Amino acid sequence: DTEVTQTPKHLVMGMTNKKSLKCEQHMGHRAMYWYKQKAKKPPELMFVYSYEKLSINESVPSRFSPECPNSSLLNLHLHALQPEDSALYLCASSALQGPPTQYFGPGTRLLVL
Amino acid sequence: DAKTTQPPSMDCAEGRAANLPCNHSTISGNEYVYWYRQIHSQGPQYIIHGLKNNETNEMASLIITEDRKSSTLILPHATLRDTAVYYCIVRVMGSGNTCKLIFGQGTTLQVKP
Repeated sequence: DTEVTQTPKHLVMGMTNKKSLKCEQHMGHRAMYWYKQKAKKPPELMFVYSYEKLSINESVPSRFSPECPNSSLLNLHLHALQPEDSALYLCASSALQGPPTQYFGPGTRLLVL
Repeated sequence: DAKTTQPPSMDCAEGRAANLPCNHSTISGNEYVYWYRQIHSQGPQYIIHGLKNNETNEMASLIITEDRKSSTLILPHATLRDTAVYYCIVRVMGSGNTCKLIFGQGTTLQVKP
């Protein structure tokens, strides 16, 4: 099973709202990732977690706050977002031994009004 | 970071082989070549990866030149469902043995009846 699940599928939020995106995998992977994809652009890395610890932050604004509560779950907390943050948010996971092939979830499509 | 160059778009007739080229002339000796595809509004799907040797799986074949400066993804019998954006990526190692994927613009493959 190479499934990564993400909830919700769609999210509409105002600029003053607080919301969270959730990602889950049960492949035993110890690396998890958040990517952001704007329309007609390739995905861009935001954060990487390794053994539940943040290992890479690609200079993402603090209004995005990642959290990895355990090895299967990855959250992205959103607060005071801007309309330009509207995008497809993708989660991925990979093993930390051998070729670290990343498996992606279906994404959460976020619209900030 | 090794970069990749792909043609922006290609067409292929249904049932014929689709050959997608990728140049990665600055690839390092320990970097893998990965191929993903993304069907409209879905998460990227892993296809195949390779280091030096040619590889084949149930989805595709990967041909890597001897000098490793270029590769070709082959879909042997393209179907309409193979219409997608195909990304050729050289794996960049992050910290903690994680894998930072840097997506280029990809090749939009249109399979036509």
